[in-house]
Amino acid sequence: DTGVSQNPRHKITKRGQNVTFRCDPISEHNRLYWYRQTLGQGPEFLTYFQNEAQLEKSRLLSDRFSAERPKGSFSTLEIQRTEQGDSAMYLCASSWKQGYEQYFGPGTRLTVT
Amino acid sequence: AQSVTQLGSHVSVSEGALVLLRCNYSSSVPPYLFWYVQYPNQGLQLLLKYTSAATLVKGINGFEAEFKKSETSFHLTKPSAHMSDAAEYFCAVSHPQGGYNKLIFGAGTRLAVHP
Repeated sequence: DTGVSQNPRHKITKRGQNVTFRCDPISEHNRLYWYRQTLGQGPEFLTYFQNEAQLEKSRLLSDRFSAERPKGSFSTLEIQRTEQGDSAMYLCASSWKQGYEQYFGPGTRLTVT
Repeated sequence: AQSVTQLGSHVSVSEGALVLLRCNYSSSVPPYLFWYVQYPNQGLQLLLKYTSAATLVKGINGFEAEFKKSETSFHLTKPSAHMSDAAEYFCAVSHPQGGYNKLIFGAGTRLAVHP
């Protein structure tokens, strides 16, 4: 068990550019979650997958955001036409199934200039 | 609305002193409750969880928390603080109405430990 991994750890981009983050969950976990954490705040839920199916999306996930988990393993989160307000830490978590504890990755810190 | 309130955004204790971090939730039905710790520039690490079994829950690193339904609280304690406990602590809930899926986090409490 190598834990949840996320790449890249840091991303600096200019406003208007597209960015993509990757999350590799713990291998036997069916559920994968994305959260966003801004400075001084707790993480906020964005979306989650059960295997390859995206089952819930937060209102925070505007149409510029898209997440996929094509084979039920790793997941990607893409932000199109980034804005300065997108600057945050993007956290990925996984769990074995519904109701079980979520294990978090180290996060990807996005800075939009 | 379902929410989590952490009283005190900053708590400072002396090394060896009792640590008490407060968490209150709002829910008509007892949720699952979690405490996570976050060190600078890292992800969240699970300290402990309550999922409707024993109301006193023991976690890692000497931390424990007690679920009190009458007070809608889940405060985190540690008898003796270590310097290494300095970090940000988050209380989180997972609600049955939401199928115990997403976590709703409080704003966090930053714990400082001084010699």
